[in-house]
Amino acid sequence: DTAVSQTPKYLVTQMGNDKSIKCEQNLGHDTMYWYKQDSKKFLKIMFSYNNKELIINETVPNRFSPKSPDKAHLNLHINSLELGDSAVYFCASSLPGVQETQYFGPGTRLLVL
Amino acid sequence: AQTVTQSQPEMSVQEAETVTLSCTYDTSESNYYLFWYKQPPSRQMILVIRQEAYKQQNATENRFSVNFQKAAKSFSLKISDSQLGDTAMYFCAFLRDDKIIFGKGTRLHILP
Repeated sequence: DTAVSQTPKYLVTQMGNDKSIKCEQNLGHDTMYWYKQDSKKFLKIMFSYNNKELIINETVPNRFSPKSPDKAHLNLHINSLELGDSAVYFCASSLPGVQETQYFGPGTRLLVL
Repeated sequence: AQTVTQSQPEMSVQEAETVTLSCTYDTSESNYYLFWYKQPPSRQMILVIRQEAYKQQNATENRFSVNFQKAAKSFSLKISDSQLGDTAMYFCAFLRDDKIIFGKGTRLHILP
């Protein structure tokens, strides 16, 4: 009965490759997010979607493209991976509304070699 | 812009002791939400406790409680009767307009 799931848990890849991370939530939430946690554990929002529409798009290289096929899924596609993309990426979801608690997935550790 | 500051990068306490993790934040808003999230070695982000800024009463969740001082913009987490399973990274977070801003975290070690 996993609430927010991400695949894969670990991803090791070479520079220049293109990769995707998938996120699914079964909480019935309308809003989903992607966060990046860097090596110093600092978490920063990247994107937010509400009911498949982009609502937050922070300053992120355009090599990162979120895709929401339906409101239960928000996938993150990364083109031309760079060393600095190595991080843990967290997906989260919430009900719509500025006061709603966000629930996080287990994270995907990406290592770019 | 809102900021969240956790001034204690790392802390260690003995099992069964009480520990307080500090968090301060900066905002010009009057209505917002504050959270503490726990990140154990498994890396999962787990919600510990939540506080609405318009509520004066401090939130409590079993052994976890907060000391919310709105005027001082302070939101500390108290863990009573600490357990080995409380060992984790703890993040203070501020929520406004769908977007959470996290502090840099406090690594808490509970020693046997």
